[in-house]
Amino acid sequence: DTEVTQTPKHLVMGMTNKKSLKCEQHMGHRAMYWYKQKAKKPPELMFVYSYEKLSINESVPSRFSPECPNSSLLNLHLHALQPEDSALYLCASSQDPVGGETQYFGPGTRLLVL
Amino acid sequence: AQSVTQPDIHITVSEGASLELRCNYSYGATPYLFWYVQSPGQGLQLLLKYFSGDTLVQGIKGFEAEFKRSQSSFNLRKPSVHWSDAAEYFCAVGAQGGGNKLTFGTGTQLKVEL
Repeated sequence: DTEVTQTPKHLVMGMTNKKSLKCEQHMGHRAMYWYKQKAKKPPELMFVYSYEKLSINESVPSRFSPECPNSSLLNLHLHALQPEDSALYLCASSQDPVGGETQYFGPGTRLLVL
Repeated sequence: AQSVTQPDIHITVSEGASLELRCNYSYGATPYLFWYVQSPGQGLQLLLKYFSGDTLVQGIKGFEAEFKRSQSSFNLRKPSVHWSDAAEYFCAVGAQGGGNKLTFGTGTQLKVEL
């Protein structure tokens, strides 16, 4: 099973709201990733978690706060977002956090910030 | 720094015709190369990847890609396109270092005419 699940599928939030995106994998993978994808653009890496610790933060604004409660779960907490943060948020996982490992992507959460 | 160029933003082919999607990369060492496909509103699915060894790589759904070091290319091919192949195709290069960072090309939108 190479499935990564993400909830919710769609999310609409106001600029003052707090919401969270959830990602789950049960493949025993030790690396998990958050990407942001704007329309008609490629995915852009936001965060990498290696063995449940944050290893890469691609200079993402603090209104995005990742969390890895355990090896299967990855959350992205959202607070005080801007309309330009509207995008498809993709989660991925890989067996190990080393170069060349295949990343398996979830279906994404489509976020609209009003 | 690694980078990927996909020169064709849009490609239209007739069903049953052959397909070649171009990808050029820039990386100082032997790269890890990937092709992903994304259907509208969906996550990314891995088609194939190259690490080393045989430069002709076979993937899922009848796709193949050839690594040409001298041309810094990793073009994706399919001998006979099906209507269900219509999607966005991303070429990506992975670094050898830790973190398993992927850099994606800008993507090629494939349209299939019946």
